[in-house]
Formats: sequence, C-alpha cells, structure tokens
Amino acid sequence: GAVVSQHPSRVICKSGTSVKIECRSLDFQATTMFWYRQFPKQSLMLMATSNEGSKATYEQGVEKDKFLINHASLTLSTLTVTSAHPEDSSFYICSATGASSYNEQFFGPGTRLTVL
Amino acid sequence: AQSVTQLGSHVSVSEGALVLLRCNYSSSVPPYLFWYVQYPNQGLQLLLKYTTGATLVKGINGFEAEFKKSETSFHLTKPSAHMSDAAEYFCAVSISGYSTLTFGKGTMLLVSP
Repeated sequence: GAVVSQHPSRVICKSGTSVKIECRSLDFQATTMFWYRQFPKQSLMLMATSNEGSKATYEQGVEKDKFLINHASLTLSTLTVTSAHPEDSSFYICSATGASSYNEQFFGPGTRLTVL
Repeated sequence: AQSVTQLGSHVSVSEGALVLLRCNYSSSVPPYLFWYVQYPNQGLQLLLKYTTGATLVKGINGFEAEFKKSETSFHLTKPSAHMSDAAEYFCAVSISGYSTLTFGKGTMLLVSP
C-alpha cells in the first residue's frame, strides 16, 4: 500500500508556542488529506479536510485560527497548532487519499504532542 | 449522516480462540466499510474494506468480515487469535473511498496465553 509519513513523531513544547506537523504522501499524489485528533483511549475525531490548493474545511467545534492547515502541494499538508496550551496535548494523525489510492485512505504514523 | 457502533470497548480471548468484534453502522447511502487496527502510539493500518461486490471480505493477518445489509452489520472475525493480534480495532464507514471516515469508538482486543 501507499506510504504516508508524519514528522515529527513526537514533540514537547512550552505553552504559548506554535508547533508545525508535516504529513507527506511518499509514493502517490494526495488530492485530499485529513487531519484527526485522538485522545487517550478514544476514537479518532476528524478535525479538518484539506484539498490541494484549497482552504481546509474544518469540522464543527474546531478552531480554524488555532489549527492552521496548509495543503500546498499534492504530497504535503501541514498542521500548525498556534499558541499551544496543555489541553492541545493529543495524538494527531493524518491520512491521505487520491485518484490512485483505490478507495482507501492511508494513515500516517501519528504525532504525539505534549504541551507543558 | 453516518454512524458506527462497536459493541464492547474490550474483548478478551485466549490464544487460539475465535475472535469476533462487532460493528453496526447506519448510513443513508450504500456504505463503504473499513476495519483498521492500531497498535500503541502508532497510526492506523487497514485490515480490510468493503466497497461493492462480494459481501465476505478477507483481509490481512487472517481477518475477515461480512457485510450484512439486512442487519447493518460488518463484524470482524478471525478463527484463531494470536498474541500479536492484541491491539485496538476501529470500524469505520464512509460514502466513498475518498470521503471522510466516521469511526466507531474502538474495541481493545486482549489476547491471553
């Protein structure tokens, strides 16, 4: 199957700082990428959907000014958590899909964010 | 709108026993159904998917699932559990392979020797 990478795999930052998480599709063109958030022992919650070259579509209750998503190319989407606070600590997972991905979303390995 | 219900947040089996993880869905259109597995601190790996056609779907690691429209179910089974199967399993539904996934709350599979 196709490979999606995320970087960094884990990050620890101080409250008030901003953190950028990258999601890359390594061997296919991802026309659509999804960002999920997962709290401990809970399911994945969709935060936003991004299409290459377009503004992201955020789910209800997700602050677009806090979680900035950029999908500038067919292989890269970034999630920036601005002015992070401890309650933003979570596991962030991206997934990607495209015309050649055969009805499947491919998931990245996730990024563990800890805000002190 | 779609939704997924996974019965049982935890399922415990002995090694070698049958694994049955339950998933029921609701969808206003013909669904695409997925089962994913997640190991600690890792992303999701697709086990199997149903899109159209044969209702019994075989996936990786010996897992299979059957789409039953009349019961709105997509239960995951494996004839003989292995210790390495211990993980969190998520059932998900979407209206196509490219649209957003709606996940169930997950079922933690525990396998004892």
